[in-house]
Amino acid sequence: TQLLEQSPQFLSIQEGENLTVYCNSSSVFSSLQWYRQEPGEGPVLLVTVVTGGEVKKLKRLTFQFGDARKDSSLHITAAQPGDTGLYLCAGDPDNNNDMRFGAGTRLTVKP
Amino acid sequence: KAGVTQTPRYLIKTRGQQVTLSCSPISGHRSVSWYQQTPGQGLQFLFEYFSETQRNKGNFPGRFSGRQFSNSRSEMNVSTLELGDSALYLCASSPLGIGYEQYFGPGTRLTVT
Repeated sequence: TQLLEQSPQFLSIQEGENLTVYCNSSSVFSSLQWYRQEPGEGPVLLVTVVTGGEVKKLKRLTFQFGDARKDSSLHITAAQPGDTGLYLCAGDPDNNNDMRFGAGTRLTVKP
Repeated sequence: KAGVTQTPRYLIKTRGQQVTLSCSPISGHRSVSWYQQTPGQGLQFLFEYFSETQRNKGNFPGRFSGRQFSNSRSEMNVSTLELGDSALYLCASSPLGIGYEQYFGPGTRLTVT
């Protein structure tokens, strides 16, 4: 069982639609990170959320950290084909230098 | 700033051989961590080096080892390769450590035949 459960595993939508992906855990994290990975490349950091209840916006992407710091969500407004990729959440559950990644949500945005 | 570089980008090895992968972090970053990514297991943490010291190690056999040099460059070695070692090996650097923001290289695609 993954420490960080991401859902959905796969998502295929049309350009212009909105979507939300989730990252859930039974553990508390001091912070969570979101990455996007494209085929043949390494993950690229999108955002780090630190405070429970925090909301961060990055253009059309909105990230939220749960009040209890056990979960996070990523909402994309008006998705574009350039948003296509594997979205990963990650965190160090016990601050002991052991970074854990979720299995990811593979998003495809069709033109 | 130049990003994280990894060499080689692609590698094909035979079972039983050993392999060394190299990673050059972003200038000024003292933390280098290594990950294995496979379709079945996703991204799994191998180990982290900070200022030439291994700070933590994931749940991998002793065939996987690494080191970090005084210029923060890091190498990862896998001995006695198995078919299951075929994966994308990613290196990430950070100014403070893996609990903080990490910057990944493009990875080395290792195929074991």
